[in-house]
Amino acid sequence: DAKTTQPPSMDCAEGRAANLPCNHSTISGNEYVYWYRQIHSQGPQYIIHGLKNNETNEMASLIITEDRKSSTLILPHATLRDTAVYYCIVRVVNDMRFGAGTRLTVKP
Amino acid sequence: ETGVTQTPRHLVMGMTNKKSLKCEQHLGHNAMYWYKQSAKKPLELMFVYNFKEQTENNSVPSRFSPECPNSSHLFLHLHTLQPEDSALYLCASSQDSGRAGEQFFGPGTRLTVL
Repeated sequence: DAKTTQPPSMDCAEGRAANLPCNHSTISGNEYVYWYRQIHSQGPQYIIHGLKNNETNEMASLIITEDRKSSTLILPHATLRDTAVYYCIVRVVNDMRFGAGTRLTVKP
Repeated sequence: ETGVTQTPRHLVMGMTNKKSLKCEQHLGHNAMYWYKQSAKKPLELMFVYNFKEQTENNSVPSRFSPECPNSSHLFLHLHTLQPEDSALYLCASSQDSGRAGEQFFGPGTRLTVL
C-alpha cells in the first residue's frame, strides 16, 4: 500500500512554472502515479499519470525519478485558474486513495 | 449533457427524511463511484460499481444505500442520516474498474443534514 507525501501548500507567481513535488518511496514496480486537482467546490479533475517515463499532455508534465520514489508535476505557465488542491496518488488495486494534497495558490 | 452530472446540486434534509442523490454519466463508461468529502478531510471512497455490479463497499453505514440500474446511472438513497453526514457527495465514472485511475468526476451534491 504505497503512500504519498506532499507539501500542504505552495505559492506560484502567475505566468511562472509551478513545480509540485510528491514522495512515494514505497511504490511498487507496477503501480502508476496519478495526479488530480480539485478547484474549490468542484469535483476532482484528472491531470496526468505515468509509470516510469516522463509524460506530457496539454495540461501538465510529469517527471518521475529513475528510482520512482518521487515525482514532480509541472504546470509550465501557471494561471490564476490553476489555483486548486493537487493530489498525487499511487494507485492501489482499484482504489484511488486521495490524501490531503497540496494547495497551490497562483498569485498575480 | 456531457460528462458526469449530479442532481440535486444542493440538498438540505432533516434526520428523519428520505432522499436520493442521482448521478448520470454520458461517457459510455462501465464503472461508477460514490465518494464523500467532509470539510477539511480527504475524499473517502464509498461504493464502486462495475458493469452494474457492486464491487466495493468501504464499510459504509446502511443509512446510505446505493443503486445502479444501468451503467449510466447511479443513485445514493439516504435515510435517517446524522448531522455528521453533511458533506459533498461526489460521483465519478471510468471506462471500467480496471481503469479506475482515470476517473471523471461530477460537480457533487452539497448535503446538509439538520
